[in-house]
Amino acid sequence: AQSVTQLDSQVPVFEEAPVELRCNYSSSVSVYLFWYVQYPNQGLQLLLKYLSGSTLVESINGFEAEFNKSQTSFHLRKPSVHISDTAEYFCAVSRMDSSYKLIFGSGTRLLVRP
Amino acid sequence: EAQVTQNPRYLITVTGKKLTVTCSQNMNHEYMSWYRQDPGLGLRQIYYSMNVEVTDKGDVPEGYKVSRKEKRNFPLILESPSPNQTSLYFCASSSRGGGKGYTDTQYFGPGTRLTVL
Repeated sequence: AQSVTQLDSQVPVFEEAPVELRCNYSSSVSVYLFWYVQYPNQGLQLLLKYLSGSTLVESINGFEAEFNKSQTSFHLRKPSVHISDTAEYFCAVSRMDSSYKLIFGSGTRLLVRP
Repeated sequence: EAQVTQNPRYLITVTGKKLTVTCSQNMNHEYMSWYRQDPGLGLRQIYYSMNVEVTDKGDVPEGYKVSRKEKRNFPLILESPSPNQTSLYFCASSSRGGGKGYTDTQYFGPGTRLTVL
């Protein structure tokens, strides 16, 4: 079975500071990896995903994540955060042979302070 | 506009009173799914459907029913709600992603906050 661990339930950070949200997964088979973002009172939106190829993937709003197979990690980073990045971030995996089924982590609430 | 809609957005009910939460998507997606979100647990899948008349259990199906009579609709039914079903519910849909299974974006509805007294 697959599992996803997001160790930090909340990460407070000042505006324009860098941030890293940690995600580790466990799986005996190859997986696809995703980060979803949930803004207050909204549904989830895909932020970025790793399917294959380059291990560094980027989103259109400045976030990036790097797939590290040896450490089974997919940490999310941003060099300079904005107030508008305040949201809950979910890491998720799916097996390559049953990719319709997403397994989510428990989420990390990013709180950006002025 | 491509979207997944859910109704109602908020619902307070009492134990044992049957209810239905509707979900509709306008993107002609084959795959639809229901999740519940609880603090500290993330999202857990309740049921999913690969296409019309094809449904299957997710990780937490007890106490829920679904049906998929039309491609666009995937209602969630609670026959006899109990307080432990108080949660935030999300419907999602997606399509096949060009040879890599269902890796296209899963589109999520805005959520339904259910309280069972």
